[in-house]
Amino acid sequence: QQQVKQSPQSLIVQKGGISIINCAYENTAFDYFPWYQQFPGKGPALLIAIRPDVSEKKEGRFTISFNKSAKQFSLHIMDSQPGDSATYFCAATDRGSTLGRLYFGRGTQLTVWP
Amino acid sequence: NAGVTQTPKFQVLKTGQSMTLQCAQDMNHNSMYWYRQDPGMGLRLIYYSASEGTTDKGEVPNGYNVSRLNKREFSLRLESAAPSQTSVYFCASSEVRTAVSPYEQYFGPGTRLTVT
Repeated sequence: QQQVKQSPQSLIVQKGGISIINCAYENTAFDYFPWYQQFPGKGPALLIAIRPDVSEKKEGRFTISFNKSAKQFSLHIMDSQPGDSATYFCAATDRGSTLGRLYFGRGTQLTVWP
Repeated sequence: NAGVTQTPKFQVLKTGQSMTLQCAQDMNHNSMYWYRQDPGMGLRLIYYSASEGTTDKGEVPNGYNVSRLNKREFSLRLESAAPSQTSVYFCASSEVRTAVSPYEQYFGPGTRLTVT
C-alpha cells in the first residue's frame, strides 16, 4: 500500500509557466513533508520541506502548499526554467519516529520547454 | 567531504550470480538506507539501518541482504541475481537527531545494475 500518492507522473510546461505537482497521504501521524529533486544520472537531493504548522513555505521560485484537513500538499514552481527539468519526489515522515524513514511518492518527471 | 559514495557505478550480472553493492558515508550519520528506483515506481526502500548494529526490512526486501559493517558502511548483497533486480540502486544516509535538517537524506550517485 503506497503511503504517499503523487500526480501527475509526467508534466510538460513551457518556459515561464507554472509547474504544479500534487501529493496526498492517509497516515495522520505524518508531520514532515519534503520534496526531493533528481537530475538525470544523479541521486535525489532535498529541495524544500514543510511542517504542518504552516500552510505554505516559499523558497525562491519554489513553494509548498499544505492542506492538513485534506491531507494534501503540492509543489509549485513559478517561472519554470529549462534547468528545472528533473524528476520530483514528494515524501512524508513521522517526526516522532527515530528511524528517519521517508515514504516517497512515485515521482513526477518535469520537462520545461524553452 | 565526499558525502555518500557507492561502488560500483555500473554492473552487469548473469542470472544466478551474486554481488555486493558498497556504500560509505563520511558525515557521521547514524541512519543509512538502500533504495531501488524503477521507471514509474519511484524510490522503493529495500532495507534500512537506524544505527550501527541494527537493520530492518523496507518495502521490497526479498532477494536482498544487508550488512551494517560499521557506522560508515552499509552494503547490499544480491545472493542470486534475477532479471527483476535490474534497477538503479541508491544508498542514502541521514541524522535524525540533527536540529537543522533532521530528516534530510543524502543520496549517493547510484549503481546501475543489469541482470541478464
